[in-house]
Amino acid sequence: KNQVEQSPQSLIILEGKNCTLQCNYTVSPFSNLRWYKQDTGRGPVSLTIMTFSENTKSNGRYTATLDADTKQSSLHITASQLSDSASYICVVSAFSGGYNKLIFGAGTRLAVHP
Amino acid sequence: DARVTQTPRHKVTEMGQEVTMRCQPILGHNTVFWYRQTMMQGLELLAYFRNRAPLDDSGMPKDRFSAEMPDATLATLKIQPSEPRDSAVYFCASGEGGTSADTQYFGPGTRLTVL
Repeated sequence: KNQVEQSPQSLIILEGKNCTLQCNYTVSPFSNLRWYKQDTGRGPVSLTIMTFSENTKSNGRYTATLDADTKQSSLHITASQLSDSASYICVVSAFSGGYNKLIFGAGTRLAVHP
Repeated sequence: DARVTQTPRHKVTEMGQEVTMRCQPILGHNTVFWYRQTMMQGLELLAYFRNRAPLDDSGMPKDRFSAEMPDATLATLKIQPSEPRDSAVYFCASGEGGTSADTQYFGPGTRLTVL
């Protein structure tokens, strides 16, 4: 069964600190892996997308890694800001039937405190 | 700044009533997705359209839910009759479609409460 699991479920850090969020998946056939940021009351916004051959991708202070062998990904946030408080959702695509079937993780809720 | 728009943003209704949610995809996008998000289940895909044709609605309860695209600028999701367990945030997303790297752009969602 296609599945995406994220940890931790929630996280509290102080402003300026770094943090790392984890994503483990069992999805086949794997197409790509994305990290989304979802602010409260808003729709998800794409941060990064990585295909099978990519093992790291950065977007400003966000750096995602992918280990396709162990089926693990991480999202590292550097020098956190209050605006980083949000849910971070790991989404794995199985490209089948001509489109991306997206399998969503439950998300990690991050709170950045001053 | 092109965006996916959804109406209404909030809807409170009583059990048994019909609910219609609307979505305007980004102009030029040919794929449209409907998702439901709850605290318990997270995001779930309900339906997927490409070029206005429904390609996958396996995630949608067929007895009460229906999704259509009357034209390229409008997608609708209808629930009839609504039940309290339908209470959730419903997101519409659109994309350019067709490739494995296609990015989906999400709308702000419709928060539905069924009493």
